[in-house]
Amino acid sequence: AQRVTQPEKLLSVFKGAPVELKCNYSYSGSPELFWYVQYSRQRLQLLLRHISRESIKGFTADLNKGETSFHLKKPFAQEEDSAMYYCALSGPSGAGSYQLTFGKGTKLSVIP
Amino acid sequence: DTEVTQTPKHLVMGMTNKKSLKCEQHMGHRAMYWYKQKAKKPPELMFVYSYEKLSINESVPSRFSPECPNSSLLNLHLHALQPEDSALYLCASSSTFGFDSPLHFGNGTRLTVT
Repeated sequence: AQRVTQPEKLLSVFKGAPVELKCNYSYSGSPELFWYVQYSRQRLQLLLRHISRESIKGFTADLNKGETSFHLKKPFAQEEDSAMYYCALSGPSGAGSYQLTFGKGTKLSVIP
Repeated sequence: DTEVTQTPKHLVMGMTNKKSLKCEQHMGHRAMYWYKQKAKKPPELMFVYSYEKLSINESVPSRFSPECPNSSLLNLHLHALQPEDSALYLCASSSTFGFDSPLHFGNGTRLTVT
């Protein structure tokens, strides 16, 4: 079974401080990992995915297969980064289907 | 058009009512999804349509009935709901039904069952 763990429900950081949102996963195969973000009163949207290895809004995430982690990082937090962040894992679940599993989410609050 | 559009934004219905939620996308995506999201919780998958055919039904009660009239539209018909069904209902789409296809979400319909 696949599982995604985001250990922090709430993370508060000061503006300009580094941010790290933790995500650990459990999956026997090679998963596709995503970070989705939900800003206040906006739709849930894709922030980044591990396969594209790009930086979006200053955020990066590296897949560490040894530690089964996909932590989201940003060197200098901005107030507009305040939002709910969901880590998600996607992998084949047999018979041509696949399963997308969301973590419980971490609410990031950036203090001015 | 790069959005998933959901109507209505808000819906209040009684337990004996019949109503429908609508979802539309014009990105040429061939997979569409219904999710249910309770407050401060992650989205929970309800249904997946791939090429207008129901691919996944996550053991959702029959009082929720999905329909995919064409590749751009997705409906969720509601009948005899319970107060615990009150939630944000999210529609999403992806280019294909595949594990490497990211989801595009709508803004959701906030449903209250009285």
